[in-house]
Amino acid sequence: RKEVEQDPGPFNVPEGATVAFNCTYSNSASQSFFWYRQDCRKEPKLLMSVYSSGNEDGRFTAQLNRASQYISLLIRDSKLSDSATYLCVVRRSGGSNYKLTFGKGTLLTVNP
Amino acid sequence: NAGVTQTPKFQVLKTGQSMTLQCAQDMNHNSMYWYRQDPGMGLRLIYYSASEGTTDKGEVPNGYNVSRLNKREFSLRLESAAPSQTSVYFCASSEWGGYTFGSGTRLTVV
Repeated sequence: RKEVEQDPGPFNVPEGATVAFNCTYSNSASQSFFWYRQDCRKEPKLLMSVYSSGNEDGRFTAQLNRASQYISLLIRDSKLSDSATYLCVVRRSGGSNYKLTFGKGTLLTVNP
Repeated sequence: NAGVTQTPKFQVLKTGQSMTLQCAQDMNHNSMYWYRQDPGMGLRLIYYSASEGTTDKGEVPNGYNVSRLNKREFSLRLESAAPSQTSVYFCASSEWGGYTFGSGTRLTVV
């Protein structure tokens, strides 16, 4: 089983739609969780961290279920500018070493 | 506010040639990383440096070497390039867990 697995996608949705991304991780020692976004031919950029209690940033909501080893990202009222690849990212415990493991990503296209 | 700077942005090599990818960060981060990204494979860690003076292998280190020249700079060297090393290479740095990436180097080995 891969360390981080995401919905393979791609997702094509109309503007204004709500879209959800799912991710599972295999290592129960995983400590920190993130969602990154990567635009075409660009570098990944941090979208948001994921906290155990769940967290929200505007139209974006992230959830973590440690018991199920499951992470989700919900985008409400999607915009054309949300079109990108969304990467689920996990960090295992390891002292000062912040080595992250990336999922393969899910491509989202928001259509007018 | 440069963040992480990678050079070059594009490179074409012939099989067997060598080259060094340069990476520098101006955020005073301790940890630096080299990843490669291939279609369908996602980002895979090549080497990392948890702090100045240390380097460790990641998931796909074969064919690569690294040097942590100082706290700012972390270079990746291909001693004898192979077509399988055609990829997009990203350097990143971090302090608290979230990464800042450079804009990438698109390398083609023919």
